Amino acid sequence: GQQLNQSPQSMFIQEGEDVSMNCTSSSIFNTWLWYKQDPGEGPVLLIALYKAGELTSNGRLTAQFGITRKDSFLNISASIPSDVGIYFCAGQLLSLGWTNKLIFGTGTLLAVQP
Amino acid sequence: DAGVIQSPRHEVTEMGQEVTLRCKPISGHDYLFWYRQTMMRGLELLIYFNNNVPIDDSGMPEDRFSAKMPNASFSTLKIQPSEPRDSAVYFCATRRDRNTDTQYFGPGTRLTVL
Repeated sequence: GQQLNQSPQSMFIQEGEDVSMNCTSSSIFNTWLWYKQDPGEGPVLLIALYKAGELTSNGRLTAQFGITRKDSFLNISASIPSDVGIYFCAGQLLSLGWTNKLIFGTGTLLAVQP
Repeated sequence: DAGVIQSPRHEVTEMGQEVTLRCKPISGHDYLFWYRQTMMRGLELLIYFNNNVPIDDSGMPEDRFSAKMPNASFSTLKIQPSEPRDSAVYFCATRRDRNTDTQYFGPGTRLTVL
């Protein structure tokens, strides 16, 4: 199957710290999406990226579409306890063309110590 | 907008029983996706519909699984007969049209098969 490597698998940080996570692949993506999943809920879209090199912010969140189109990162600045959850990257593979399928990363579990 | 609505939120059943999961998509969204999430396999796409028509069911695990979308406002995922290994969280997600890759997820149904 298609591979989308997400790291780190988990992070345990203090409130106020900055966080960085990323997704990489050996394949080229034409779309990158970042989702957050709270316990007992479905993933919620945080940021969508559509162009190589694109840098987009949503409050304390910043994400970038890698220039090679094979990676993306998500940064969270000044973390707060409600940032706790699982963060997923997802992408549309260029090689699949118009398939409507998203490939999901394995997720990064974020825990924030108050 | 109410977002994607799924019911029930939790389902506990015994092996061999029929299970029906329900989804009401966001109004006006042309695409509907059914996913399964487990710790071992992450988020897996089971099937998706475009304008109520099943397009790709290659992710459906076996013949015990079936999905229908009788109209633009309703879809079901049925498992008959259910088995313990079907225990997972099942998500419904929708997408507005072919011009966007963004999918919006429902809250999920947590299925436990005893």
